Amino acid sequence: GQNIDQPTEMTATEGAIVQINCTYQTSGFNGLFWYQQHAGEAPTFLSYNVLDGLEEKGRFSSFLSRSKGYSYLLLKELQMKDSASYLCAVGNDYKLSFGAGTTVTVRA
Amino acid sequence: DSGVTQTPKHLITATGQRVTLRCSPRSGDLSVYWYQQSLDQGLQFLIQYYNGEERAKGNILERFSAQQFPDLHSELNLSSLELGDSALYFCASGQRGGTDTQYFGPGTRLTVL
Repeated sequence: GQNIDQPTEMTATEGAIVQINCTYQTSGFNGLFWYQQHAGEAPTFLSYNVLDGLEEKGRFSSFLSRSKGYSYLLLKELQMKDSASYLCAVGNDYKLSFGAGTTVTVRA
Repeated sequence: DSGVTQTPKHLITATGQRVTLRCSPRSGDLSVYWYQQSLDQGLQFLIQYYNGEERAKGNILERFSAQQFPDLHSELNLSSLELGDSALYFCASGQRGGTDTQYFGPGTRLTVL
């Protein structure tokens, strides 16, 4: 089975940094994905980690530790448009299993 | 714009009815994935097709079926609809059909009354 946990909600101030943690226990592992989803819209791809370590992409970075079953998404220099749900997803057996998502609210 | 198209955007129907949702993948992508997203369930994987063949199955009800056609577009058929089937249905596409990066279409919002 799959068990993917991430916090339900986080709030941060514009310009700040927020770290969204994701822990997983899955029967297989072919990589970890992060997606951003604005309310009522499609998820959009942010990052992919298959090896341990940090992947940086502009204001967004993602980290993976396979031995710990742990990942985080780091959002720097927060902007109001970053208010959205962030979904952690584990790839295995030709599919993605998604966590419930973390709703990030950015305040002015 | 991900390049994945889905029609219709909205669908309102009655219990017991049957509907068909359509998806066209990004140019060059061979895989299509279907997901259901409801408020209390999050994003749930339903089924995947790769180059016309079923590759993986998730928590798809027997009342639901899908297929992928030779031109790679896919259809998700939902029958004997129940109130609980009201949800956003997303299609995603990927290149290879393994653990691809998946690109999502805009979704179809289904409301069953």
